[in-house]
Amino acid sequence: DTAVSQTPKYLVTQMGNDKSIKCEQNLGHDTMYWYKQDSKKFLKIMFSYNNKELIINETVPNRFSPKSPDKAHLNLHINSLELGDSAVYFCASSQGLAGMDEQFFGPGTRLTVL
Amino acid sequence: KQEVTQIPAALSVPEGENLVLNCSFTDSAIYNLQWFRQDPGKGLTSLLLIQSSQREQTSGRLNASLDKSSGRSTLYIAASQPGDSATYLCAVCRGGADGLTFGKGTHLIIQP
Repeated sequence: DTAVSQTPKYLVTQMGNDKSIKCEQNLGHDTMYWYKQDSKKFLKIMFSYNNKELIINETVPNRFSPKSPDKAHLNLHINSLELGDSAVYFCASSQGLAGMDEQFFGPGTRLTVL
Repeated sequence: KQEVTQIPAALSVPEGENLVLNCSFTDSAIYNLQWFRQDPGKGLTSLLLIQSSQREQTSGRLNASLDKSSGRSTLYIAASQPGDSATYLCAVCRGGADGLTFGKGTHLIIQP
């Protein structure tokens, strides 16, 4: 009965690899997001999707690409991983347009790039 | 550019005390403000959402207030318990196409 789920929970990989993090929500929400929490625990928005369309794209490297096969899923694909990509990545969702409704977060994926 | 500041950065109090966590934001043109708690190694749990037209919201022992014009919000926790120990995050949204802008959080420890 998990509302927002992410897989994997932990991801350890080498520099230069390509990896994906999956996110699914069973709340019937229209908008999904990806946030990055850095080593200093600071959370920052990366992307949001509304009805399968990207509506914001913060200044993140184009090595990061969100992919949404349907309204319930927003996966994060990362190419050519770098040491600085190590962080915890959180997926979230909300009912309506970004910011108008309460956001619900997944448990996070801790990415470690060696 | 919106900036969110939370004071104090850390707080340790004995069980049973009432306490106030502070949040301030630089751009008062917000759509709403949301308080979260984050437990170590876990995700964020939404506590309270205050729309810009509201002054406060209450949930159990928690009460959040919003003074949009002065760019301030407070989270009041009554009769604190050890289970309240966590990091509390404040986040604001301008609405429309924006996501949330977070503060750096207040790390709260309630001593048994």
